[in-house]
Amino acid sequence: ELKVEQNPLFLSMQEGKNYTIYCNYSTTSDRLYWYRQDPGKSLESLFVLLSNGAVKQEGRLMASLDTKARLSTLHITAAVHDLSATYFCAVDRPNFGNEKLTFGTGTRLTIIP
Amino acid sequence: GAVVSQHPSWVICKSGTSVKIECRSLDFQATTMFWYRQFPKQSLMLMATSNEGSKATYEQGVEKDKFLINHASLTLSTLTVTSAHPEDSSFYICSAADSGNTIYFGEGSWLTVV
Repeated sequence: ELKVEQNPLFLSMQEGKNYTIYCNYSTTSDRLYWYRQDPGKSLESLFVLLSNGAVKQEGRLMASLDTKARLSTLHITAAVHDLSATYFCAVDRPNFGNEKLTFGTGTRLTIIP
Repeated sequence: GAVVSQHPSWVICKSGTSVKIECRSLDFQATTMFWYRQFPKQSLMLMATSNEGSKATYEQGVEKDKFLINHASLTLSTLTVTSAHPEDSSFYICSAADSGNTIYFGEGSWLTVV
């Protein structure tokens, strides 16, 4: 059974600080996704990571993937209040195509002014 | 760009009644769509895979007779929660992928059963 774990579950940061969210998954997968969810809203796609060593950056967020370690990280640089949200990683299921996702537990990020 | 749209955005129904949620792919055809459920402050859990022209595939522990899925066309899947109870109150989200395997999520539908 594919399991996806994130840590921390809750993160409270001061503005301007850096931090990293970790995502571990238990079996081989082809794609690793990062999503943002604001309260009461659906998911906003942030990154899709396809291969070992992949690194993608958008603004203050940078995601990386280590398929050998089955680990992805989402790094936040110089956090600002607008980044407060819940962040989910998700992986596709082996042998079930790339469309069916298993989500991590989520990390609720709060940026404190 | 491609969009997946859900309707309604929120619905309140009485316990024991049924409610239908629609998921449409607006710019592409999707032979497969997925339904997820998210309880407050929890993650998304896959409920079922909706297959155009055939029966849906349900995840372990999801009652197929309670959550009826119909995928009658290449752009529409519906989820009907039958005999709804307060514990069915949740956020329901659908997804579909285009021909390039880009996954799109719907806006979600809040269901409250009173």
